[in-house]
Amino acid sequence: AQRVTQPEKLLSVFKGAPVELKCNYSYSGSPELFWYVQYSRQRLQLLLRHISRESIKGFTADLNKGETSFHLKKPFAQEEDSAMYYCALSEKGAQKLVFGQGTRLTINP
Amino acid sequence: GAVVSQHPSWVICKSGTSVKIECRSLDFQATTMFWYRQFPKQSLMLMATSNEGSKATYEQGVEKDKFLINHASLTLSTLTVTSAHPEDSSFYICSARDAGTAYSEQYFGPGTRLTVT
Repeated sequence: AQRVTQPEKLLSVFKGAPVELKCNYSYSGSPELFWYVQYSRQRLQLLLRHISRESIKGFTADLNKGETSFHLKKPFAQEEDSAMYYCALSEKGAQKLVFGQGTRLTINP
Repeated sequence: GAVVSQHPSWVICKSGTSVKIECRSLDFQATTMFWYRQFPKQSLMLMATSNEGSKATYEQGVEKDKFLINHASLTLSTLTVTSAHPEDSSFYICSARDAGTAYSEQYFGPGTRLTVT
């Protein structure tokens, strides 16, 4: 069965510090991995998908199949990065997403 | 960008009544929509996958007779909570997958807060 684990429920860092939100998954096939973000009082929105290998708002995430991880990183955190972050997995070609429990990131001034 | 709307944004109903929640894709066609439930400070739990023109696929443990899903068009899916009880009070979120892309990403609605008294 597919499973996504975000070990940190809460993460607090200072502005300008590096940030890493951890995500590990268990899936035997070829997964598609995503990071979704939910800012205060807003809907869930896509931040990154691994197949695009893009950087959005300074965030990057690399799929490490050996470690079955898809950690989200940003070198210099900004206050506006404070939000709830969800890692999600989809079986390649399938439709539904499996979400991790989420990590609430707080950037302190 | 792709926008998904939900209506109503919040609803209060009495125990025993039924409530319908609408999910619309505004600027794209969605052959597949998804219904989630989110409890306070918890992650999203997939309830069912709504397929246009066919029966919904429910996740294990979700009562299909209680949570009726209809996906009659490429832009609209509805979730009806039948004979609602206080334990059905929750935040219900829908999402839609753009039929025109190969990606599995989903676009989310703003959610509907249901309170059953």
